Amino acid sequence: QVQLQESGPGLVKPSQTLSLTCTVSGGSISSGSYYWSWIRQPAGKGLEWIGRIYTSGSTNYNPSLKSRVTISVDTSKNQFSLKLSSVTAADTAVYYCAKTLYGLYFDLWGRGTLVTVSS
Amino acid sequence: QSVLTQPPSVSGAPGQRVTISCTGSSSNIGAGYDVHWYQQLPGTAPKLLIYGNSNRPSGVPDRFSGSKSGTSASLAISGLQAEDEADYYCQSYDSSLSALYVFGTGTKVTVL
Repeated sequence: QVQLQESGPGLVKPSQTLSLTCTVSGGSISSGSYYWSWIRQPAGKGLEWIGRIYTSGSTNYNPSLKSRVTISVDTSKNQFSLKLSSVTAADTAVYYCAKTLYGLYFDLWGRGTLVTVSS
Repeated sequence: QSVLTQPPSVSGAPGQRVTISCTGSSSNIGAGYDVHWYQQLPGTAPKLLIYGNSNRPSGVPDRFSGSKSGTSASLAISGLQAEDEADYYCQSYDSSLSALYVFGTGTKVTVL
């Protein structure tokens, strides 16, 4: 049974880079035609898709964040990662990683990790 | 940045039926892209509830059903139970210059 787990610092200073990793367990990140996505949710607000990566390394990003986002994959570690640069308080949110089935919907989610941007 | 519009809240007594609407546009739902629904219980991650407009993943009770027509979709919960109290989000694919995946504004379901 595949599971996803986010990890990374819970506190990031303004203007710095937020870095998170999603570890895939119970299966290979390379098996199947899956995309792997990052999604965030500010407290009390809705969901916002950040970007996705295919195991080939091909990426797509939300245009509203594209200039600050980098998503990468390390198939040897069964992980994919998110980097968001020049963060501000508006980037404070719970960040989720998710498996994207057929490139259409998110059939499996991590538990999420809260990242707070504050000095 | 939500592109899909949902009512902020709906409520019903146990056993009743409630519906949640999700209104999009010609670049997402109206373009023929499927609608998917997620349930987010308090303090937890979203969970896939309905995929491909009306399909339930294994383990999802048949009290939950989905439909789509034109630029809108709906989620119905029949035989409402206390454990259904949660936030519900619709989601679709978008072919405009916005994000590939767009979510609804979210609906809080309250069981009276």
